[in-house]
Order: sequence, then C-alpha cells, then structure tokens
Amino acid sequence: SQKIEQNSEALNIQEGKTATLTCNYTNYSPAYLQWYRQDPGRGPVFLLLIRENEKEKRKERLKVTFDTTLKQSLFHITASQPADSATYLCALGIGAGSYQLTFGKGTKLSVIP
Amino acid sequence: GAGVSQSPSNKVTEKGKDVELRCDPISGHTALYWYRQSLGQGLEFLIYFQGNSAPDKSGLPSDRFSAERTGGSVSTLTIQRTQQEDSAVYLCASSLQPDSRTQYFGPGTRLTVL
Repeated sequence: SQKIEQNSEALNIQEGKTATLTCNYTNYSPAYLQWYRQDPGRGPVFLLLIRENEKEKRKERLKVTFDTTLKQSLFHITASQPADSATYLCALGIGAGSYQLTFGKGTKLSVIP
Repeated sequence: GAGVSQSPSNKVTEKGKDVELRCDPISGHTALYWYRQSLGQGLEFLIYFQGNSAPDKSGLPSDRFSAERTGGSVSTLTIQRTQQEDSAVYLCASSLQPDSRTQYFGPGTRLTVL
C-alpha cells in the first residue's frame, strides 16, 4: 500500500541546533516533494519544493534533500529559533502534470530556548 | 495582497443538518482545492477545480459531500446530513496554474458535528 511517514510526531531540540525532519514514502513515484509549515489554528504555509531530478534545495536557514532511491526527503532547519516551533508537513506531487498533493501527518517541532 | 479566506471560521451543527463552507481564493488563481484535516491525520484531498474544466471529485468521501465553484472564483463545499465523523478542519487552497505547484491555504473552517 502507499504510505507517507514523517519520522516522529514530535521533535524537541535546543535553540541554535539543527533540526532534521524526515519524510519517507513507499509505493509512490513523486515528480516533486514539498514542505509546508503549519501553526496551530492556521492553514499550511509553503516553504520549499524539490523536484525528482534535484538532490538539494536551500532557502535561508532551510535545506531540503530528496533521495528517490531511498524514497526519502530530509528537511533541515539550521540555527533553530523558538519561532521555528510549528508542525511541518511533507507533501508528494504524483506525476509531472499532477496537481494533487498527498500529505504526511506532520512532525511537531518544538525549539526550546 | 489578500490571501485565501474561508468562512465561517468555526461551525457547530447537529447531526443530520446540512452545512455550507465558503472559500474565497486569491484573485487570479485558477486552481482551487478542498482538503479535510482530522485530528492526528494528514490533510486529505477532497476536490479540485481548475478553470472551466470538470472538477476532480475523486477525494470526496461520500455522496453527502459536494462542491461548486461559481464564476471561477468563490467555492462552496456542502455537506448534507452531517455525521459526527465529518467533524474536522476543512481547508481550502488556491494556486496559480500552470506556473507553480505552490498551494496557498486559507485558515480553515473547524466543523464540529454534535
């Protein structure tokens, strides 16, 4: 069956450290993968998109990797801050022309001062 | 500029009643999506509208759910004869096609069926 798994429901890290979140999938062949941030009571906010032929993408303190052999994406936040505390969702885009995203359940990140 | 807006923000209804949820997408965005987010679950795709094309209704969980999009802009999700398992946050998103796959989400409507 098709599954998207985000490594843990919750992750606590110390301020200033690098947070690493994992997204694993099975029985999908995504054309691209996205990461979103969701704060309580709000809709998800787009962060980064990485395509199947890309290995790594960066945006400020954020870095995403995409390994289609391992069927895994890693999402890194460097020099983490308490303001980074939120739930982070990965989403797969299936097929180059696909508009439909399939979301993981998310990882709740807490950055402790 | 204005983002995606949804109304109401909260809706409490009794089992068996019909509800309508509204979504105003970002102006100029041709694609519109509805998702459902239940407690502890990921976002579940419900329906997709793109321009004047027939909508993709493949994610609707039952025939009690329907949606329409008038004039290529505002969309309404209707749930008839609500059940307790319909309780969830209903999220709307829009995107500018075909330039990007980025979806811009509204704040959601929290539906509680008593």
